[in-house]
This record gives sequence, structure tokens and C-alpha cells, in this order.
Amino acid sequence: QSALTQPASVSGSPGQSIIISCTGTSSDVGGYRFVSWYQHHPGKAPKLIIYEVNNRPSGVSNRFSGSKSGNTASLTISGLQAEDEADYYCSSYTNSRTLEVFGTGTKVTVL
Amino acid sequence: QITLKESGPTLVKPTQTLTLTCTFSGFSLSTSGVGVGWIRQPPGKALEWLALIYWDDDKRYSPSLKNRLTITKDTSKNQVVLTMTNMDPVDTATYYCAHQIVGYCGSTSCYGPLDSWGQGTLVTVSS
Repeated sequence: QSALTQPASVSGSPGQSIIISCTGTSSDVGGYRFVSWYQHHPGKAPKLIIYEVNNRPSGVSNRFSGSKSGNTASLTISGLQAEDEADYYCSSYTNSRTLEVFGTGTKVTVL
Repeated sequence: QITLKESGPTLVKPTQTLTLTCTFSGFSLSTSGVGVGWIRQPPGKALEWLALIYWDDDKRYSPSLKNRLTITKDTSKNQVVLTMTNMDPVDTATYYCAHQIVGYCGSTSCYGPLDSWGQGTLVTVSS
């Protein structure tokens, strides 16, 4: 099975903005606006932070935003805070499988 | 408020069958558009979809694990059960269940954000 490609790690200083990419194909990310992002603090339950490319669930900080261009979706974290240090996963609908596909995951470090 | 909790053995031996139960509250799995999925995360690795069951009893499985997985639901008990046969040490992982609201269905699968997750249960496969 082919996972979506994410950078293994991204880091930034408090207050900065960082971008996490999620690259797929025309069968998934590129073909549809059905991309989600999850924040996962180790030992805790993953949390949905973005759905359908750029929608935030109620209660999620507006420092998190999503976008998509071609086969790549992106998650931007603005005003980076210590609590943002976590693993982040994208997920996309795909027309080539019976289930969605997750990304490889990105570890965000706040310097 | 939606809550989900995974339960099952923490240690299984190679070749044994793993049975995990997801007990949930705050929603009904008989409501149109609702699904419950199982996802796992091996230590140090990424999330991986295992299986999903929908309100209408439609079931989807990971292609690579399809022959080993069975997902069922008991709507009256608010439970979803996942069984995985022939366990191997590589199946050592934290197993999560999650609630899904289906947003779109195409020809092969559906999309829906997983808006609530259980805390996960660590299953170790070792003799």
C-alpha cells in the first residue's frame, strides 16, 4: 500500500509559522478535496484538526490552516506554540483503495 | 459527547487470534452516515488503516490485511469488534478505534473525517 508522503520532521521557533506538506497522486490528494489532518501527541488519542482540505472543526485553533495545490496538500501552523509539538498525519480519500490512505507522518519540534 | 474505548488483551502469542472491542457512547451506529474504524500504529511508525464498518453494515478492509481481519458491530451494545487472525510480532502496535461521519462516497471507498478517537490499546505479540 502507498502512503502519502510527508517530511519526517519540521521544526520552528515559538511564534514562527511552519508548513507540513502531504504529497499524493491524482488518485487521491490531487483528484479530490477530501483531505484531513490529525494532530497526535504520543500516548494520547489523535485529534482531527482539518477536514476537507481547509475546514477546522469547532474548537480547533485558527492557527491551523490547510490548503491544496495539485497533488500536494499542506498544513500551516501559525504562531507556533510549545503545545503544537506533536506528530501530524494527513489522510486522503483515494479512488484506488477501499479505505482512505494516511500520510507517513511529520514530527513537529518547537525549538 | 462522543467517547470510544478500546479493550482487549495486551499480550498475545504468535499465531493466536486477537479480538478487540470498541465500546462507544454519544452516537448510534444505526444512524445513516456513521462509521467506526480501526487504525493501528506500530511503535515508531505511522498510522495504518485496518477496517471500517458503516451504519448499513457495509465493511471495508485494508487490502494487505483483508484475509486476516473481521469487523462486526452490535448496535444494541454500542460495540464494534475487530478480530485479527494469525498474529505476528510485526502486529505489535497501539490499536485505536474512531468515529467517522461519511462525507463522500465514490466508487471504491468513502471519505469521512475521524472526529473522535479512543485512547488506544497497546497490543504486544510475543511468545
